[in-house]
Amino acid sequence: AQSVTQLGSHVSVSEGALVLLRCNYSSSVPPYLFWYVQYPNQGLQLLLKYTSAATLVKGINGFEAEFKKSETSFHLTKPSAHMSDAAEYFCAVSERAGGGNKLTFGTGTQLKVEL
Amino acid sequence: GAVVSQHPSRVICKSGTSVKIECRSLDFQATTMFWYRQFPKQSLMLMATSNEGSKATYEQGVEKDKFLINHASLTLSTLTVTSAHPEDSSFYICSAGPGQDYGYTFGSGTRLTVV
Repeated sequence: AQSVTQLGSHVSVSEGALVLLRCNYSSSVPPYLFWYVQYPNQGLQLLLKYTSAATLVKGINGFEAEFKKSETSFHLTKPSAHMSDAAEYFCAVSERAGGGNKLTFGTGTQLKVEL
Repeated sequence: GAVVSQHPSRVICKSGTSVKIECRSLDFQATTMFWYRQFPKQSLMLMATSNEGSKATYEQGVEKDKFLINHASLTLSTLTVTSAHPEDSSFYICSAGPGQDYGYTFGSGTRLTVV
């Protein structure tokens, strides 16, 4: 069984400040981990994914995440927040990278960016 | 590449009627499509997994007779909500794949409102 816990349903940062969205996972096998962003009334867009290669993963829009096995974490960061980053972010885990993989999603974190 | 089109984006229907939602992979062949349901301010819940040419696999608690899924071709899967009731009002999202990078791409979602 696999699960994802996202700490903090709402995170608020100032424009230009560091963004840190937390994700911890549980998996019985080496996991594949994903971060998605969702804007209102839209589908999900993949930000980045970890598939057992480099532990520091760089994604789109300046986001990156680091896989830490010892901490079972995959936190999402961005050095400088932009107003356009305001959205809902979901962490997800899968037992496989593709080929019929089922994604288990966290409950999401709403990111608010203030002037 | 890897574009998934979901239609309609919004639909309002009367209680007791049926609604069909289409999910199309536009530039790749999708052997697997997933259907999710998302309640307001909540995460995505997997409803069913659809493989081309075979019956869909439903998650526990999802009524297969109410949520009919057809995946007749490698580019199209449909979800039909039969005899819709107000409690079926939700945001439905599909994802299709695997694509070239073995990942899955999400559609833009369908907002269903049953009145």
